[in-house]
Amino acid sequence: AQSVTQPDIHITVSEGASLELRCNYSYGATPYLFWYVQSPGQGLQLLLKYFSGDTLVQGIKGFEAEFKRSQSSFNLRKPSVHWSDAAEYFCADRTQGGSEKLVFGKGTKLTVNP
Amino acid sequence: GAVVSQHPSWVICKSGTSVKIECRSLDFQATTMFWYRQFPKQSLMLMATSNEGSKATYEQGVEKDKFLINHASLTLSTLTVTSAHPEDSSFYICSASHRAYEQYFGPGTRLTVT
Repeated sequence: AQSVTQPDIHITVSEGASLELRCNYSYGATPYLFWYVQSPGQGLQLLLKYFSGDTLVQGIKGFEAEFKRSQSSFNLRKPSVHWSDAAEYFCADRTQGGSEKLVFGKGTKLTVNP
Repeated sequence: GAVVSQHPSWVICKSGTSVKIECRSLDFQATTMFWYRQFPKQSLMLMATSNEGSKATYEQGVEKDKFLINHASLTLSTLTVTSAHPEDSSFYICSASHRAYEQYFGPGTRLTVT
């Protein structure tokens, strides 16, 4: 079955440090990949998406992600983390076969230390 | 643009009663809406997909008679939890799609059944 894996359940970084959140997708000749952020008690906000083209994707809030087909990865990065970035981050892939449904990873909780 | 609202943001109801949650796309027409359920510290679980004017498609294991979904217009979908029980307590999130492959999420509804 199609799956999205986020290997890190919880990551802690210091404010100002760089960040990389990992995401691997299971298969798909043409993955449609997304990163969402969720603050406690809130819905999901789209950070960025990749459909095709340039494999380095820029998103909101200073985030970027790089699609690497050879590694089946779509890792999220930010060069300098702010305390307000503390949240839950979800990677998602559109299901194969033309459906609009998304398959989500289990999420990575980011804690930012002052 | 692409704003999705949910109402109410939180609701408390007594066991055995029914509760309705509304999901609205405020500035676009949503051909497809999705309903998710999220347990504490877990990822989103897709419950059903609804298209305007047609019956919802439920995911395996979701009781369609308990979770009634109506997508009456291109801007409104409702989820009714019938004969609610404490185990139905959860965070319910809707999303809406106005073009293929992108979903915009509502802020979620916290349901507590006492």
